[in-house]
Amino acid sequence: GQQVMQIPQYQHVQEGEDFTTYCNSSTTLSNIQWYKQRPGGHPVFLIQLVKSGEVKKQKRLTFQFGEAKKNSSLHITATQTTDVGTYFCAGQGGGADGLTFGKGTHLIIQP
Amino acid sequence: DVKVTQSSRYLVKRTGEKVFLECVQDMDHENMFWYRQDPGLGLRLIYFSYDVKMKEKGDIPEGYSVSREKKERFSLILESASTNQTSMYLCASSLYRGQGAKAFFGQGTRLTVV
Repeated sequence: GQQVMQIPQYQHVQEGEDFTTYCNSSTTLSNIQWYKQRPGGHPVFLIQLVKSGEVKKQKRLTFQFGEAKKNSSLHITATQTTDVGTYFCAGQGGGADGLTFGKGTHLIIQP
Repeated sequence: DVKVTQSSRYLVKRTGEKVFLECVQDMDHENMFWYRQDPGLGLRLIYFSYDVKMKEKGDIPEGYSVSREKKERFSLILESASTNQTSMYLCASSLYRGQGAKAFFGQGTRLTVV
């Protein structure tokens, strides 16, 4: 079945440093979604990428979808304490059912 | 905003008990999902349903069953709870069965089986 690998599992950064998490799928994806889970909270949808090579920005967050539609990244510029949490990618294949989640990257920010 | 509500935030059950986790969504979504979340393992899909009385197995269905008698409600059933089912359980819903439907999650139920 479809597998989505996400690295790193943990990332410690100093406040103000940049952060990147990467996702790789074993199969070509039709779309990829990104979610953020704050400590003690539940995953919340951030964005969806559909097109090959697509790049989207949300303030300090930049999301990319690879040309082959098998990988994606989330980059945060100049991290702030409010960015703390776990970031998940979730891929959807050619079928109509379900998202396959990566294991998530825990972002820990040191003031 | 879509609201997905799980009946309990915390539950403690004994080994061998039958456990029901309830989830209700208020936006007429077609799809509903049950995931469990464990440290280092991320979100793993247990079961999902794309219509009333329909269900599909996810990646880890063993030891679980589900029920969807009404569109807005999706129940996860642990037939005989075991300690390895201690976990955070997350319910989610999405608007339609198809590409690009984003998932809305409930607040989660932390189940401890003793």
